[in-house]
Amino acid sequence: DTEVTQTPKHLVMGMTNKKSLKCEQHMGHRAMYWYKQKAKKPPELMFVYSYEKLSINESVPSRFSPECPNSSLLNLHLHALQPEDSALYLCASSQAGPPRYYGYTFGSGTRLTVV
Amino acid sequence: AQTVTQSQPEMSVQEAETVTLSCTYDTSESDYYLFWYKQPPSRQMILVIRQEAYKQQNATENRFSVNFQKAAKSFSLKISDSQLGDAAMYFCAYMDTYSGAGSYQLTFGKGTKLSVIP
Repeated sequence: DTEVTQTPKHLVMGMTNKKSLKCEQHMGHRAMYWYKQKAKKPPELMFVYSYEKLSINESVPSRFSPECPNSSLLNLHLHALQPEDSALYLCASSQAGPPRYYGYTFGSGTRLTVV
Repeated sequence: AQTVTQSQPEMSVQEAETVTLSCTYDTSESDYYLFWYKQPPSRQMILVIRQEAYKQQNATENRFSVNFQKAAKSFSLKISDSQLGDAAMYFCAYMDTYSGAGSYQLTFGKGTKLSVIP
């Protein structure tokens, strides 16, 4: 299995809703990432998990709450979002160590619309 | 901090022709990785080609090849025999070889939108 699977593919939520995005991989990768991508822009790093521990939080508002229950699964819990949070949310995974590095494997993303 | 610059926001190419996308980067490191990712309208970021900085030989993957000029900090992507399916946003990306806390961070350029004309 060489894929990163993200669900759902599309999500519309109100500003008072609570929802979760899910990301799963079975490649044995021990680093997993959440990126936010606005239209016609490059992805922006939000969170990094390494060996199931949060290693990087790029000053993301607390209305975004990541979780890594095990080495294959990464969640992003959403609560009280704002319309400007509407974006494509990409999950990725990678090896967590040397010697050779092959880049990230990305999922196909969740298109989030906040109304 | 490392930066990646793609100076061509949009480009177009005739089907079956060759196109080159430009990328420059700035780093003080001597060893690092460089990547080109493709993002079609389907949204998934797909790895096109990778280059390890310590390797002088330019990477090639079928119709895709790079021109890696380490001293000039330049990493351009050449697409030969362009196909309609090559139409996408292309991102150049940089990564240090240092593993901070067991992870690797990609720094992306702003992207080049490539259109392929039939």
